[in-house]
Amino acid sequence: KAGVTQTPRYLIKTRGQQVTLSCSPISGHRSVSWYQQTPGQGLQFLFEYFSETQRNKGNFPGRFSGRQFSNSRSEMNVSTLELGDSALYLCASSLAGRGSSPLHFGNGTRLTVT
Amino acid sequence: GNSVTQMEGPVTLSEEAFLTINCTYTATGYPSLFWYVQYPGEGLQLLLKATKADDKGSNKGFEATYRKETTSFHLEKGSVQVSDSAVYFCALSDSTGNQFYFGTGTSLTVIP
Repeated sequence: KAGVTQTPRYLIKTRGQQVTLSCSPISGHRSVSWYQQTPGQGLQFLFEYFSETQRNKGNFPGRFSGRQFSNSRSEMNVSTLELGDSALYLCASSLAGRGSSPLHFGNGTRLTVT
Repeated sequence: GNSVTQMEGPVTLSEEAFLTINCTYTATGYPSLFWYVQYPGEGLQLLLKATKADDKGSNKGFEATYRKETTSFHLEKGSVQVSDSAVYFCALSDSTGNQFYFGTGTSLTVIP
């Protein structure tokens, strides 16, 4: 069974630009979550989608948005990039996204904002 | 609210030493508990899980027991190897929310 696939692996953008990250979950998984990982802040929860609906959202500004398609693939968009947005962005899929159903992570997209 | 507290790192051990990484949690309801491991340049991988009190999760020589009375889920391994060098994250998920809660991660380095 293929794992969670994130594309691209690396991105370099300049301040003010926007970026779209893509995530393909494990087949059959309907929940997709996004996390931002930085050395100083650790893992920060961005949002979770289940069957195309955003079920939960972390404490990030509105510049961070996402969506999920009918095939469960998800995209995350960051507009008006800031230097502080440089981070590893991790996508995780899950059967249920809660309880005993574990998260399965992709290898992430490393975003560098210059 | 829900939260996870992990022991601060980094931790450096010699090969074949005993490992303990402490994790305590605060949660409403009855959470499921997880340990994840992250190797350099990769995402997090599920290491083990426990879904109810007194359950013991185990995998690759690692073990952790769900202790409700002490709200703890400490990770242990009897004899670490160089290949165990990684960052370890404790996490919880409750049955009512749609979010996982992660600790800050503990970096482990095992030296030959």
